[in-house]
Formats: sequence, structure tokens, C-alpha cells
Amino acid sequence: SQQGEEDPQALSIQEGENATMNCSYKTSINNLQWYRQNSGRGLVHLILIRSNEREKHSGRLRVTLDTSKKSSSLLITASRAADTASYFCATGRGGATNKLIFGTGTLLAVQP
Amino acid sequence: GAGVSQSPSNKVTEKGKDVELRCDPISGHTALYWYRQRLGQGLEFLIYFQGNSAPDKSGLPSDRFSAERTGESVSTLTIQRTQQEDSAVYLCASSFAGQPQHFGDGTRLSIL
Repeated sequence: SQQGEEDPQALSIQEGENATMNCSYKTSINNLQWYRQNSGRGLVHLILIRSNEREKHSGRLRVTLDTSKKSSSLLITASRAADTASYFCATGRGGATNKLIFGTGTLLAVQP
Repeated sequence: GAGVSQSPSNKVTEKGKDVELRCDPISGHTALYWYRQRLGQGLEFLIYFQGNSAPDKSGLPSDRFSAERTGESVSTLTIQRTQQEDSAVYLCASSFAGQPQHFGDGTRLSIL
């Protein structure tokens, strides 16, 4: 079963706009990660936020985590056509294993 | 190698045949994961290897699925007596000591 549920399932925006994707999860976590998947390719790790962190930035990416609401959001600012991809959140319980449970993904389309 | 390598990239086979999928992880990565991704879905965890420890097989959907890994090198995922519901992309990932996972581009398996 999927731990995470992304919202929205699909998002279409114009180049230059911001894109916000949300992820909700059910059980306690050690960390939450966001991955990106271009069509026909594997996943690429974007950013990791730990359960004791509330916000993290990486370039045009901003991730927030609210453990009380069991939710996270990924904001992509000043989007580009090249940002078109599926975005997945994944929750981990930490440790050497850190087995991840992935959400169902948000398909982002950035129109040039 | 530079990244996780999977082969074949595509596999078409008849129902009832056995298939073997291969994953070459990044050199030095102690952890190796297999996932299944059905069309338009998120990733389902299948199996996890960590060094010489017993693998975590909790995600394997049936006894038709098995996987092996020799030391910290190549892994093979075998599906026996394939069924149409086995059609999916099978993704392999590797990581080092709880660090973010690096994914291959997957094997797209189609069962006729």
C-alpha cells in the first residue's frame, strides 16, 4: 500500500509560474524525500528533509514539513519547461535501511 | 560505473515464461533496492539487500518473484511463470549507508 498521497495528481502551469505539490502520509517518519522522474527514466533525488526540520531550500526548490499534520509540500519557483516531470514524495524511517515508501506522484506540465 | 545500470531496458515475453532482470549498482553502494512501478503509479517496494545481511523480502508479491545479490555487486530479479499483471517497469536503486537512493532507468517488462 502507498504511504504517501500527492496532491494534485496533475498540474499544468505556464513557464515562470510557481508550482506547489503536496504530500500526506500516515505513519511516523524519520525523513521525507522528494524525487523527480522524467518520462521513461528512473527517479532522481531532489531533496531530503528530516523530521526535526520544518523547511529546507535547494536552488529553486523549497520543501516544508509539518509532522503534526503529517504533510509536506514541494514548491518549485520560476518554473521552466524542463521541470516537466512526475514528482514523488517518499517517507523513510531512517537507519541503515531507510526503506522508502513512495507516494502516487504529481505529474507536472510546464507550458513554454 | 557512473550510475546504476539495468538490463535489458525493455523485455517482451509470453505469459508463462521466466524472466531475469539485472541491476549493476554504483560501486561502493552497500544497499540495493528493487521496486515495481505500474503504469501511472508510484513505486512499490519489492526487496532490499544490505551487505551480507539477510535481505528484506517483505515486498515480493508472490513466490514467483525472487532476487539474488552477490556481495555488494550485481543483483538479479527473477520472475517465474510470468503473468500479465507482472507487466510494469522494474526499477533498481542503490545507496550508501542510509543516503538518498540512486535509481537506474528501469526495465520495461511487457507480458503478452
